[in-house]
Amino acid sequence: AQSVAQPEDQVNVAEGNPLTVKCTYSVSGNPYLFWYVQYPNRGLQFLLKYITGDNLVKGSYGFEAEFNKSQTSFHLKKPSALVSDSALYFCAVRDSFNSGNTPLVFGKGTRLSVIA
Amino acid sequence: EAGVAQSPRYKIIEKRQSVAFWCNPISGHATLYWYQQILGQGPKLLIQFQNNGVVDDSQLPKDRFSAERLKGVDSTLKIQPAKLEDSAVYLCASSLGNQGSRYNEQFFGPGTRLTVL
Repeated sequence: AQSVAQPEDQVNVAEGNPLTVKCTYSVSGNPYLFWYVQYPNRGLQFLLKYITGDNLVKGSYGFEAEFNKSQTSFHLKKPSALVSDSALYFCAVRDSFNSGNTPLVFGKGTRLSVIA
Repeated sequence: EAGVAQSPRYKIIEKRQSVAFWCNPISGHATLYWYQQILGQGPKLLIQFQNNGVVDDSQLPKDRFSAERLKGVDSTLKIQPAKLEDSAVYLCASSLGNQGSRYNEQFFGPGTRLTVL
């Protein structure tokens, strides 16, 4: 069965500093990996995804993520954090293996707090 | 492009009452999902529709939850009777393509926050 782990409940970073939000996954086949962000009282917004190809994926709002197959990780990064980046971030995985339907499985989320 | 619409945004009911949520996906999106998000957790898939057919309802508590997507467009999710543990945010999402397109991103609505007293 596929699963996602976000080991940090909370990440605090000073504005202007680089940020990293960690994610590791487990699937039977090759993973389709996603990052979503959730602002208060709003639904999830898609940030970026990895399907195949270049291990470094660039997404919305200056975010990027690096796929590392050997470490089964897909950490979210941004070179310079903004206060407006403060939100709840979810990593999600879908297994490419299996001819049947496989659901998108989410991690429990990491709350990012960027301090001015 | 209009996003995924959901209503109501908030609902408070007593346990054992019934409640229904409505979702209108992005125009042209064949796949529709209902998720349950309990406080402090990530969303959990309840049911997935492909057009008006059910693709996956393995995690739907069928003794109390039901969902339909008549005509393959908007959808309703019903809980009858509600329990205290059903308190959560119910998210609707939609995506392009068929069930084989597992790499398509999903677009989420704002959700319905349900409180069961």
